[in-house]
This record gives sequence, C-alpha cells and structure tokens, in this order.
Amino acid sequence: KAGVTQTPRYLIKTRGQQVTLSCSPISGHRSVSWYQQTPGQGLQFLFEYFSETQRNKGNFPGRFSGRQFSNSRSEMNVSTLELGDSALYLCASSPGAGGELFFGEGSRLTVL
Amino acid sequence: AQRVTQPEKLLSVFKGAPVELKCNYSYSGSPELFWYVQYSRQRLQLLLRHISRESIKGFTADLNKGETSFHLKKPFAQEEDSAMYYCALEGITDSWGKLQFGAGTQVVVTP
Repeated sequence: KAGVTQTPRYLIKTRGQQVTLSCSPISGHRSVSWYQQTPGQGLQFLFEYFSETQRNKGNFPGRFSGRQFSNSRSEMNVSTLELGDSALYLCASSPGAGGELFFGEGSRLTVL
Repeated sequence: AQRVTQPEKLLSVFKGAPVELKCNYSYSGSPELFWYVQYSRQRLQLLLRHISRESIKGFTADLNKGETSFHLKKPFAQEEDSAMYYCALEGITDSWGKLQFGAGTQVVVTP
C-alpha cells in the first residue's frame, strides 16, 4: 500500500498570503488528522476529519481550516499567514477507530 | 487537562548499554499510550502501544497508572536505535485522531 502522501513538500510564502496543503491518506483510511510541528511547541494537533466531517479540533485560530473530500483526501488552509506559522505540517491517516496513526513526510512551510 | 512530559531532551548511551526513556502523563481517566519514533530522514511511525503489550525491536514499555508513567526501555542499545522518540497519549472520549505528544527525546547511541 502506498503511504500517506503530502504535497507540496516545501513552500515559501510571505506574510499575509494564504496557503493550501494537500494530503492523500492510505487507501481505505477514512480518518485524516493534521499536526503542526515547530521546534518551540513540538507536535500540536490541528484537526481531524472522518467521512468529510470534522470530528475534533485543536487550539488554533480560525485562520487554520481544513476539509475532507469524499475520497478521503484532505486539505488544510492557512489564511493571512504570520511568521509564526512557519512549521512542518504533518498529515496522518488511520482507519478511523483510534489507535495507530500513519504519518506523511510533511509539508514544510516557510513564511517570510 | 491532558499533558505528556518527557524530561530528557537528549539521551546519549553506549552501544550495548541499557536505555530508558521517561514519559509521564496527566489525564483524568485511562488513556491509551503510544511511543512513536522518527529515524533520520524517515517519517514518524508507531513503535509500540501499551494495549498491545508487545516488544518491538527489543523495546518494551510498561504503563504504571499509579505513577502515571509509560517509560520505554531496552536492555541493550544498538546504533540503529539512534532516533527521536515521542511519547503520546490518546484520550478515551472525543479524541479521534488527536494525540497529545511529549516534546520528544533524542537518543544517540555511540559505538
């Protein structure tokens, strides 16, 4: 089985712009979670989607949003980028009943 | 509030020596606990989970509810164990896909 695929792998944006990151889960997995990883804050949960519904959300401002499509692929969007949004954004998938998460390689966002 | 604490940022051990990575948690209930590992240039992956009670790559972890700890141990470290290790907690309710991660412990095994 192909693993979790995230695109793009690297991107550079400037403050005020917006960005969309994409995640394709492992085939058959219906749950997709997103995490932000920074040196200062570590791994922090953003949100989780299952069958196109957001089931869980972390403590991030409304500038961070996401969605899931009927094929389980997911996107996350960050609007009005700030310097502090520079991070590695990780997507993880699972069958949906909790337990093991399968992570992608991440999308590294740099905000200038 | 749930919290996971890994007190050691860096653990340097010699090959063949025992290694123990500490993890303490705070959660009002019975969570599920995991150890995830990230080897150099690889993605984050599950090492083991407490409910499976397995030994993976020689590592074991015992859940101590009294001390709220889930320390990871290996009796004889190998060079290939050099990696970043994260302890993670999943709550029992309303926690779909949500893991609370510790800050991580970098393990360096020297020959």
